[in-house]
Amino acid sequence: DVKVTQSSRYLVKRTGEKVFLECVQDMDHENMFWYRQDPGLGLRLIYFSYDVKMKEKGDIPEGYSVSREKKERFSLILESASTNQTSMYLCASSFGSRFYNEQFFGPGTRLTVL
Amino acid sequence: GQQLNQSPQSMFIQEGEDVSMNCTSSSIFNTWLWYKQDPGEGPVLLIALYKAGELTSNGRLTAQFGITRKDSFLNISASIPSDVGIYFCAGQETSGSRLTFGEGTQLTVNP
Repeated sequence: DVKVTQSSRYLVKRTGEKVFLECVQDMDHENMFWYRQDPGLGLRLIYFSYDVKMKEKGDIPEGYSVSREKKERFSLILESASTNQTSMYLCASSFGSRFYNEQFFGPGTRLTVL
Repeated sequence: GQQLNQSPQSMFIQEGEDVSMNCTSSSIFNTWLWYKQDPGEGPVLLIALYKAGELTSNGRLTAQFGITRKDSFLNISASIPSDVGIYFCAGQETSGSRLTFGEGTQLTVNP
């Protein structure tokens, strides 16, 4: 079974702090994604990566950056956390281009910015 | 970006009842997927659909790719308490490569 793990289930940070969210997958998937989930808005794509060192902006990249130095690891960075970034963050991965859409999700990180 | 309309937003049903939910889009999709999210967990893929008119089952779950390619339906038969959760539809447009997610249907099953 595919396993996608996220570094923290719950995180509390202060406004202005730099925040790192880590995601690791163990199935050699090429594609990795970061979403945020807010009530009434569903899942919105922040960034995705289809290969090591490759990244593409999603629908809401403002205030975020990403890093993919190794195939199995995809990091989301909040350069200067703000209260409107309080949310559930979900990482996902998928295999190749044919199964791009069959995404496997991690358990999520609930981030609170005070 | 593209919007998906998912309905209903929430459902409260008795154990044993059947459930239907659907998603509609203003543009054509070439892929529809249905996910379920248990409380405190990430979404899990239930069913993937790749052809217009396709009807696919996974246990008590059945999903259909609408013939117009602008909608999809998910049915759950004989619901049980562990069906509780949020069900999301997701679709990929023919011209793009990203998934667009619906807002989710919150299902509550009373024993």
